Amino acid sequence: GIQVEQSPPDLILQEGANSTLRCNFSDSVNNLQWFHQNPWGQLINLFYIPSGTKQNGRLSATTVATERYSLLYISSSQTTDSGVYFCAVDTGRRALTFGSGTRLQVQP
Amino acid sequence: ETGVTQTPRHLVMGMTNKKSLKCEQHLGHNAMYWYKQSAKKPLELMFVYNFKEQTENNSVPSRFSPECPNSSHLFLHLHTLQPEDSALYLCASSQGGLSGTGELFFGEGSRLTVL
Repeated sequence: GIQVEQSPPDLILQEGANSTLRCNFSDSVNNLQWFHQNPWGQLINLFYIPSGTKQNGRLSATTVATERYSLLYISSSQTTDSGVYFCAVDTGRRALTFGSGTRLQVQP
Repeated sequence: ETGVTQTPRHLVMGMTNKKSLKCEQHLGHNAMYWYKQSAKKPLELMFVYNFKEQTENNSVPSRFSPECPNSSHLFLHLHTLQPEDSALYLCASSQGGLSGTGELFFGEGSRLTVL
């Protein structure tokens, strides 16, 4: 099956810093989603992005499907951005395949 | 009213108990999913239902028994679980189609502890 790799696995930032999270996938995909898992466990949708770039406030995402990667940018990070960020890909099977996540800690 | 609701949020059970997790989606989606998240592991797909029909069982032990009475409700019946089954169980829904799964929306999860 498809392999989804996220980097870095762990990231510590000072409040106000910017960061880039990466998601590589081993095969062509129909779509890609980014999620944020908060400390209570809930997975929150960030982006549904098969290709191109989308922005939502301080967050933006870019997917280059032909090169099989996606990037999530977090600007001016806040402590509330802490948690685990997952990317998940849709290959046209019955469900998404998830990466292992990037654990982000933003320190005040 | 949130899009996907899971109950209970927390559950502690013994290995001989029988309990159920419930999920309800208010988004009009046609597909529902159970995922398992253990500590320090990626999310593992357990079951997929499309229009109430099970379309995927990802080699899940029979001590986990799903039920989907309609497109809005999904249950996970639990019996004779093992301590290693302790995990966060996440329900999700999407509007799947010919092009794939569709955008996935998750509930808040049910954190299960098996003693």
